[in-house]
Amino acid sequence: DVVLTQTPVSSLVTLGQPASISCRSSQSLVHSDGNTYLSWLQQRPGQPPRLLIYEISRRFSGVPDRFSGSGAGTDFTLIISRVEPEDVGTYYCMQGTQLCSFGQGTKLEIK
Amino acid sequence: QVQLVESGGDLVKPGGSLRLSCAASGFTFSIYYMTWVRQAPGKGLEWLGHISGTDNFVFYADAVKGRFTISRDNAKNSLFLQMNNLRVEDTAVYYCARWNVGPLDFWGQGTPVTVSS
Repeated sequence: DVVLTQTPVSSLVTLGQPASISCRSSQSLVHSDGNTYLSWLQQRPGQPPRLLIYEISRRFSGVPDRFSGSGAGTDFTLIISRVEPEDVGTYYCMQGTQLCSFGQGTKLEIK
Repeated sequence: QVQLVESGGDLVKPGGSLRLSCAASGFTFSIYYMTWVRQAPGKGLEWLGHISGTDNFVFYADAVKGRFTISRDNAKNSLFLQMNNLRVEDTAVYYCARWNVGPLDFWGQGTPVTVSS
């Protein structure tokens, strides 16, 4: 089974400052088709999860460009370039290369 | 627009059964894999399983294999989760989501299941 480990577990960020979340996989997420199925999801309080980024760095429809993803193989990063109030919530990485699994989540709060 | 609406969540006693439904609209349901994910109170997301679009291949997480069954009715654009022998630890919000070759791109609002005596 693929285990995803996110760091930090929680993050306190000043409005307008950047935030970074790391996701490390227990094995390579490169699929046999050559793609890497690593996504990032946002879950605001009381809401269902929402897809932000897929295939490492592709922004989903309607996602602001302050969200970006990077990485390869087993190490991935979500960056929010300038945190805004509506970014409060929990962020999950998710892999779809070998069935499906989620990181444990990173809670983002505003200072 | 894509919509997924779960229903069927309830309070059930340990050992009981429950069937959840997910009504899909706004896309060609039959060509997509569909997924169930749950979230226990205050906890993270847990993948339960996928079902393929038309040939009914189903993949389950070990935690629910043998107790939960995923099925679908493409004629009715509906996804189902049959849950048997429920345990207290199955208490969670259950989400259906569309699997789009890697990411789960659309999610329902979820339906709550509470297992308690």
